Amino acid sequence: EPEVTQTPSHQVTQMGQEVILRCVPISNHLYFYWYRQILGQKVEFLVSFYNNEISEKSEIFDDQFSVERPDGSNFTLKIRSTKLEDSAMYFCASMTGATREQYFGPGTRLTVT
Amino acid sequence: AQSVTQPDIHITVSEGASLELRCNYSYGATPYLFWYVQSPGQGLQLLLKYFSGDTLVQGIKGFEAEFKRSQSSFNLRKPSVHWSDAAEYFCAVGALSYNTDKLIFGTGTRLQVFP
Repeated sequence: EPEVTQTPSHQVTQMGQEVILRCVPISNHLYFYWYRQILGQKVEFLVSFYNNEISEKSEIFDDQFSVERPDGSNFTLKIRSTKLEDSAMYFCASMTGATREQYFGPGTRLTVT
Repeated sequence: AQSVTQPDIHITVSEGASLELRCNYSYGATPYLFWYVQSPGQGLQLLLKYFSGDTLVQGIKGFEAEFKRSQSSFNLRKPSVHWSDAAEYFCAVGALSYNTDKLIFGTGTRLQVFP
């Protein structure tokens, strides 16, 4: 069964450093998402991406964040200058559009020290 | 604004007992509703969804949920819980537009199952 994959599973970085979180969505999916979950809190929407552009972003998704689909298979989330409060589990999700079911990856745990 | 409330933070049941997890939503139009499960260290797995039609929907792993418009609720049920059902359960509403479909999640209910 096809699944969404994410790498790395855990990333530790120092405050102020840039990180790139990578996702490989399910191959025939057209809609892509990033969500995050701070430890002990609910899952929060960050950004949606469709037709090679951002379709919606949340207040959390400020200028420090960017997304890219560089090669038709990968979908990346970049944080330019990490802060302590960026420490969270980041989930990638993808969807066909026909079923409106989002399939989630296993997540990348980002720890900013 | 759209929102989802899961009033129970933590529920403990005995294996074999029945289960009901509560979810209330606030949404201006007909909602798309979902239940996801997250096992420790895992991602989110879709249990079931409601879009329209029959208000009682069946999902995977023996779960079902009932949409009640009058109560703005979408409660998840299982007649007999197994130890492997111990996990965190999230209710979500789909805030739809033609090019986004972001999900708004509740705070989750952690289910503990005693043998």
